[in-house]
Amino acid sequence: QLVLTQSPSASASLGASVKLTCTLSSGHGTYSIAWHQQQPEKGPRYLMNLHSDGSHTKGDGIPDRFSGSSSGAERYLTISSLQSDDEADYYCQTWGTGRVVFGGGTKLTVL
Amino acid sequence: QVQLVESGGGVVQPGRSLRLSCAASGFTFSSYGMHWVRQAPGKGLEWVALISYDGSNTKYADSVKGRFPISRDNSKNTLYLQMNSLRAEDTAVYYCAKEGLIFCGGDCSPLDYWGQGILVTVSS
Repeated sequence: QLVLTQSPSASASLGASVKLTCTLSSGHGTYSIAWHQQQPEKGPRYLMNLHSDGSHTKGDGIPDRFSGSSSGAERYLTISSLQSDDEADYYCQTWGTGRVVFGGGTKLTVL
Repeated sequence: QVQLVESGGGVVQPGRSLRLSCAASGFTFSSYGMHWVRQAPGKGLEWVALISYDGSNTKYADSVKGRFPISRDNSKNTLYLQMNSLRAEDTAVYYCAKEGLIFCGGDCSPLDYWGQGILVTVSS
């Protein structure tokens, strides 16, 4: 069955860049995913839809600092020029197997 | 702009029922599939259920199958989750979310808008 794997935590300094990873399980390497951001005490916010070729479509109002890329079964979210309010949990999500699947989330700390 | 507002949460005893509602505005509700997603305290996101734009297709997570029927009233722009036989492990914030692809039969696109969530606590 389809599983999405994310590292539990990541950290980077204010103004720097960070690259978060979401790995699709074996046999599902061509699936598209979505990235969502959840700031503390808030509901999730859709960031982008990311395809296996690295092309991506961002949600409404998502700044250019957020970008996506892909390599094999890995899907990446890169955040550049980190700001304090980028400190949040980031979830990947996929669909198309009869149920929606979320990764376990990565907690990003901005130092 | 798209707005999704959940209501109906609260504290309920194990074994009892609760109905959540999600009022939608800012888009053509009857054209989009809808989902419920929950988040237990301190945990990640867990998908609960989906319903297609016309209500003809529904799917459920194994953890709620047979207990939490999802439905919609397109004339009222409202999504529902009937929560029956509640258990302590159903305690969570429940979010409604909209699918991104128009006229999707369910489970065919990312979730592109979320509500603010509503807390359900199951406790005696």
